[in-house]
Amino acid sequence: GAVVSQHPSWVICKSGTSVKIECRSLDFQATTMFWYRQFPKQSLMLMATSNEGSKATYEQGVEKDKFLINHASLTLSTLTVTSAHPEDSSFYICSAREGQGQVEKLFFGSGTQLSVL
Amino acid sequence: AQSVTQPDIHITVSEGASLELRCNYSYGATPYLFWYVQSPGQGLQLLLKYFSGDTLVQGIKGFEAEFKRSQSSFNLRKPSVHWSDAAEYFCAVGPRTNDYKLSFGAGTTVTVRA
Repeated sequence: GAVVSQHPSWVICKSGTSVKIECRSLDFQATTMFWYRQFPKQSLMLMATSNEGSKATYEQGVEKDKFLINHASLTLSTLTVTSAHPEDSSFYICSAREGQGQVEKLFFGSGTQLSVL
Repeated sequence: AQSVTQPDIHITVSEGASLELRCNYSYGATPYLFWYVQSPGQGLQLLLKYFSGDTLVQGIKGFEAEFKRSQSSFNLRKPSVHWSDAAEYFCAVGPRTNDYKLSFGAGTTVTVRA
């Protein structure tokens, strides 16, 4: 089946540094990718939707200058947390949609746990 | 605004026993409904979905879910759990469009004891 690879699985960084998280579709072309974050014991919250070759669409309340999303190719989207602070510590997960098909064509990465010291 | 509630944060069940995970939603209209499972170190995997038609839907790994419009619920069940069913389960809803902007519940962690 289709695989979405998310890297890194864990990252610890110092406050003020930037962290990049990669989301790759390994065996299909992802026209659309989604980025979510999850706080402990809370829901996965959609942060943004990115379409290949265009600017990401951010959900209300998500700072686009803080969370930079790049979807430069049909197999790669990156999320960069800029000038990270402890309140950015969270679980980030991406999903990728293959083509324009049914929801069965929506695949998730395994997530990235970000800890900002 | 839409919301998804999974009332049970953690459930422990004996192997071979039945399992039911609850999901309630609040949505403007009947949404698409989903259950996903996440095993440690893995991505979310779609177990089953409800779009329309028969309100009892069958999924993979022996799971089923029943949509009850009057209760705004979409509970997940399995008659006999296996140790490999230990995982985190997420209920999700989405609009009846193709944008797949899903809203998730907080998840229920299932522990299976021998």
